[in-house]
Amino acid sequence: EVQLVQSGAEVKKPGESLKISCKGSGYDFTNYWIGWMRQMPGKGLEWMGIIYPGDSDTRNSPSFQGQVTISADKSISTAYLQWSSLKASDTAMYYCARRARLGDLSLRAFDVWGQGTMVTVSS
Amino acid sequence: DIVMTQTPLSSPVTLGQPASFSCRSSQGLVHSDGNTYLSWLHQRPGQPPRLLIYKISNRFSGVPDRFSGSGAGTDFTLKISRVEAEDVGVYYCMQAAQFPYIFGQGTKVEIK
Repeated sequence: EVQLVQSGAEVKKPGESLKISCKGSGYDFTNYWIGWMRQMPGKGLEWMGIIYPGDSDTRNSPSFQGQVTISADKSISTAYLQWSSLKASDTAMYYCARRARLGDLSLRAFDVWGQGTMVTVSS
Repeated sequence: DIVMTQTPLSSPVTLGQPASFSCRSSQGLVHSDGNTYLSWLHQRPGQPPRLLIYKISNRFSGVPDRFSGSGAGTDFTLKISRVEAEDVGVYYCMQAAQFPYIFGQGTKVEIK
């Protein structure tokens, strides 16, 4: 079964660092882009960025540039999203998702989603 | 950046009746490879989103055929031929023609 499994919920204080993970299984993790999305409480989806685990090529949304770091370790089929200094406004659900392919063709749509990681930042 | 605008933001629908939702982009979504990368996703409360439609009109695997997508240029539509109770939730369009990818703000669907 193709799936993405994300790390568990986190409760942090402002100023703390955090790294959450997204582990792929059931497919060739190296050859599919992984995107990260934010969903603030009661709000819509926001695209944060995307990484190609094969060579760690990364594209970031200008809205999140400098705020988070996206990385991947292809040897353990895991992508990461990290913060060096959290703010209360980072409180949100974070999803990773696989960018779909059909053979060698990218569909540029997200077909497999992780279950989400809830991050709460509060003093 | 491209702006994606969905209408309506909220849509009360009747079971068994058709429903349609609009998504407009601030610029064309045709990629240099000739494809138009507009997809639709559905999110039920408390669940991650799931892919319904990719490249305007292609139903993803396992998606019921009551869902259909259409459009071109900057105007796109998702239609449900006969609404079922499980169709409640929020529908998002997303453009992936260029970085950054952008989601619409979503259309919330409730049963009347």
